[in-house]
Amino acid sequence: KAGVTQTPRYLIKTRGQQVTLSCSPISGHRSVSWYQQTPGQGLQFLFEYFSETQRNKGNFPGRFSGRQFSNSRSEMNVSTLELGDSALYLCASSLVNTEAFFGQGTRLTVV
Amino acid sequence: SQELEQSPQSLIVQEGKNLTINCTSSKTLYGLYWYKQKYGEGLIFLMMLQKGGEEKSHEKITAKLDEKKQQSSLHITASQPSHAGIYLCGADMLEGGADGLTFGKGTHLIIQP
Repeated sequence: KAGVTQTPRYLIKTRGQQVTLSCSPISGHRSVSWYQQTPGQGLQFLFEYFSETQRNKGNFPGRFSGRQFSNSRSEMNVSTLELGDSALYLCASSLVNTEAFFGQGTRLTVV
Repeated sequence: SQELEQSPQSLIVQEGKNLTINCTSSKTLYGLYWYKQKYGEGLIFLMMLQKGGEEKSHEKITAKLDEKKQQSSLHITASQPSHAGIYLCGADMLEGGADGLTFGKGTHLIIQP
């Protein structure tokens, strides 16, 4: 069974640009969550999608958005990038109220 | 203040020795998850604990959730170089898993040969 796949693995963007990250969950998993990991703040919850609906949202500005497609694949978008958005972005998928399995992450560097 | 405190922040252990990592919350935990991470990579799921007093083991790793469901410990017996990495505890702080997982800052484990 394939794991959670995130693309791309690495990304370099300029301040002010926007970026879209992709996540393909484990087959059969309908819940997809996104997290941001930085050395200073650690792992922080961004949002969760279930059956194409955003179910929960963390404490991040509106520049961070996401969506989920009918095949459960999810995308995360960050607009008007800031230097502080440089981080490892992790996607996790799960069945309902069970353990989450994480992808390898996308390392975003904003210059 | 951090909702989920992990201790110690870092740990250097000689190969073959036992070690314990703790995860403490000021609130009731509705689900507690242990993960391992290699630097810059994704998280590898280790164990999930949901019931007070629950204890689970896998190979040489044992995790416990205390009766009051506010603290968990991860114990590694006879440590090996493959155990090196960052150990993270994550928790459901709300019943039903709403609000995503809250994570501790992690414990960086180094195994000395």
